[in-house]
Amino acid sequence: DAKTTQPNSMESNEEEPVHLPCNHSTISGTDYIHWYRQLPSQGPEYVIHGLTSNVNNRMASLAIAEDRKSSTLILHRATLRDAAVYYCILRDYSGNQFYFGTGTSLTVIP
Amino acid sequence: NAGVTQTPKFQVLKTGQSMTLQCAQDMNHNSMYWYRQDPGMGLRLIYYSASEGTTDKGEVPNGYNVSRLNKREFSLRLESAAPSQTSVYFCASTEIGRNTDTQYFGPGTRLTVL
Repeated sequence: DAKTTQPNSMESNEEEPVHLPCNHSTISGTDYIHWYRQLPSQGPEYVIHGLTSNVNNRMASLAIAEDRKSSTLILHRATLRDAAVYYCILRDYSGNQFYFGTGTSLTVIP
Repeated sequence: NAGVTQTPKFQVLKTGQSMTLQCAQDMNHNSMYWYRQDPGMGLRLIYYSASEGTTDKGEVPNGYNVSRLNKREFSLRLESAAPSQTSVYFCASTEIGRNTDTQYFGPGTRLTVL
């Protein structure tokens, strides 16, 4: 099963960009890279996903390395509401499962 | 739309007691999932149901059973609760597809087994 590795925690100043890294060296060709975040005492919520090309949406951008062994979630301007645990997940289409790691706890400093 | 709902929100059990956690979704999704989250940990998949009438084991299925009652409802049963099953349980649903593959999570059930 493919797995992901993320730093346990990161800090960012409010209104500055944040780059959250993820390593997934055993990713297979059919695995999509998903990012979710979990606010305190809530269920996870979807942020973004991609396969090979970089992706943008209203919440964030996803930069995927050319060899697909790593990716970076980019929050363009961190706000206090972005303080959460961010999970990088591989989506195995053949097995219909999502593999969560331990995530990165993001602290946003006012 | 209510999205994904879970009942109960909190539960305290004694070792050996049984209970069923309920989950329902109103988004007409085919796939549903049960996860557990231990303190300071990520989510681990217990069971999932790719479609009505099918269920499959996830990463940590021991001590649990599931029922996909219909397309909307997916329940998780603990037959004989153990302290190691103290956790927060999340239900999720999704419609699998290249452009629509987003999991929607419920608010969670916080279970304590004494």
